[in-house]
Amino acid sequence: QKEVEQNSGPLSVPEGAIASLNCTYSDRVSQSFFWYRQYSGKSPELIMSIYSNGDKEDGRFTAQLNKASQYVSLLIRDSQPSDSATYLCAVERDNDMRFGAGTRLTVKP
Amino acid sequence: DADVTQTPRNRITKTGKRIMLECSQTKGHDRMYWYRQDPGLGLRLIYYSFDVKDINKGEISDGYSVSRQAQAKFSLSLESAIPNQTALYFCATSDSWTSRGRNEQFFGPGTRLTVL
Repeated sequence: QKEVEQNSGPLSVPEGAIASLNCTYSDRVSQSFFWYRQYSGKSPELIMSIYSNGDKEDGRFTAQLNKASQYVSLLIRDSQPSDSATYLCAVERDNDMRFGAGTRLTVKP
Repeated sequence: DADVTQTPRNRITKTGKRIMLECSQTKGHDRMYWYRQDPGLGLRLIYYSFDVKDINKGEISDGYSVSRQAQAKFSLSLESAIPNQTALYFCATSDSWTSRGRNEQFFGPGTRLTVL
């Protein structure tokens, strides 16, 4: 079992729809959780961080964390073609950061 | 992120050669990291450093070494490159002082390394 698992996709949604990206992790004592966006040929860019159970909203992005289920998700509302990218889930424990392989999202106009 | 630079951006080398990848940052961050990215495997941590005198192995340190020459500079070396070290390498930084332990990392543009 991979330490951080994401649906590899690709995930395709129409413009204006909600995109839902999911991530599960195996280490129960993980402390911090992050979502990075990576455009093709570019470096990862931090878009959300979440540290406690529940929802965290920032603009069109909402991160959801459920530590009991070892599950973290990212919702993108009103998806735009510019949101088309690979989204990386990252999970940290004691300064050891582990990344998922990423989910490729395509938003079709 | 223009505040984190990596040199070279692309490098082709041969098996057995020594190669150094360099990372510099102007963000004033104290922590620096080296990752490699392979298709289907995501990012994997090679080494990280919390200050000039602190070096720590990450998930996949075998075959690599690092040097933290200054707070702003962190170099990754491959002493004897092999083909399975062909990958995209990223440097990242984070700030322990203002982030209060929240390890939000900022990545450089990457170095594409090919070992023939």
